[in-house]
Amino acid sequence: DTEVTQTPKHLVMGMTNKKSLKCEQHMGHRAMYWYKQKAKKPPELMFVYSYEKLSINESVPSRFSPECPNSSLLNLHLHALQPEDSALYLCASSQAIPAANTEAFFGQGTRLTVV
Amino acid sequence: QKEVEQNSGPLSVPEGAIASLNCTYSDRVSQSFFWYRQYSGKSPELIMSIYSNGDKEDGRFTAQLNKASQYVSLLIRDSQPSDSATYLCAGWGLYNQGGKLIFGQGTELSVKP
Repeated sequence: DTEVTQTPKHLVMGMTNKKSLKCEQHMGHRAMYWYKQKAKKPPELMFVYSYEKLSINESVPSRFSPECPNSSLLNLHLHALQPEDSALYLCASSQAIPAANTEAFFGQGTRLTVV
Repeated sequence: QKEVEQNSGPLSVPEGAIASLNCTYSDRVSQSFFWYRQYSGKSPELIMSIYSNGDKEDGRFTAQLNKASQYVSLLIRDSQPSDSATYLCAGWGLYNQGGKLIFGQGTELSVKP
């Protein structure tokens, strides 16, 4: 089973709203990732969690706040977003980092629209 | 030089032809590579992993890795319209890029019936 589950699939939010994206995996992976993807661009790394601790923050604005409550769950809390934050948000997981031969698997993504 | 460089295409091939997708990479990337397929509006799906020099075949897909030339490719034989998608190559970063899965720009493949 290589399933990473993301909810919701679609989200429309206003610029003053607070919302959360959720990601879950049951593969025993200890590294989890948030990526942002704009149309016709590759995924862009936002955050990496390793063993439930934040290990990489790619200088993401504070209106995005990640959380890893346990080894299976990853959340991304959203607050005061801008229309340019509209994108496909992808969660991924892998066995561990650093990860030479480790495969990473993506969830189906959340299509976020900020109005 | 970017860590992973990929011809962005688009690449158009007729049905039944061989599609060839290519990436080059720098010394800042681990020499293990992954090919993801991404249909429009969907998430990336891992289709091939290659860790050793040479070829790795899986059905109609063959991944090739040449560590000396820092070159990785994906061949799709007997291309089908259902293969039409964007293909992303990716590798794990090294040094100050450690822990990051780094993607090429993606190649958009169109298979014409």
